[in-house]
Amino acid sequence: EAGVAQSPRYKIIEKRQSVAFWCNPISGHATLYWYQQILGQGPKLLIQFQNNGVVDDSQLPKDRFSAERLKGVDSTLKIQPAKLEDSAVYLCASSLGLAGGELFFGEGSRLTVL
Amino acid sequence: AQKVTQAQTEISVVEKEDVTLDCVYETRDTTYYLFWYKQPPSGELVFLIRRNSFDEQNEISGRYSWNFQKSTSSFNFTITASQVVDSAVYFCAHHSGNTPLVFGKGTRLSVIA
Repeated sequence: EAGVAQSPRYKIIEKRQSVAFWCNPISGHATLYWYQQILGQGPKLLIQFQNNGVVDDSQLPKDRFSAERLKGVDSTLKIQPAKLEDSAVYLCASSLGLAGGELFFGEGSRLTVL
Repeated sequence: AQKVTQAQTEISVVEKEDVTLDCVYETRDTTYYLFWYKQPPSGELVFLIRRNSFDEQNEISGRYSWNFQKSTSSFNFTITASQVVDSAVYFCAHHSGNTPLVFGKGTRLSVIA
């Protein structure tokens, strides 16, 4: 079974530029998550989708971050304009959506903002 | 609010030693789930175990074991006879029906040959 796919793996941009990350979850997984992991910290949830609807985006900096999950499958996370503090690994995860269910994570997209 | 504390930032052990990673959680929910994930240098978070709040039985899986104690709000993880391949960052996490998966800050384990 294919795992969660993310791209690009690495991205370096200058501040105020924009960047987009893509995620393809495990087939059949209704729930998709984007987490931000800053160096030395645990992952922090940015947004959670159930199919193509947003369940939780309370920690998403909406002035610069946006995410969509068209057709309830793939998702993109965009940052515009990027700030230095956005340097982090952006992890996508998916699950069947059941309470207490296991999350399956991708390898992440490492963003460096100069 | 839910909170997960992993007080040990970094641990180094010599191969074949046993090591315990501590996890303390805070929650107001009666039904919740606790997890451990492993993050090797490749970056991908690998699921190790899930426990629900009604099951306090300890669990053993090979060299891994977990001790869940609701009385002390702890869910500790022990690796027996550690190996170099166990070197990674380990995260404890909490989830309940009303909240997403919340992670601790992680413990970096280095196993030295």
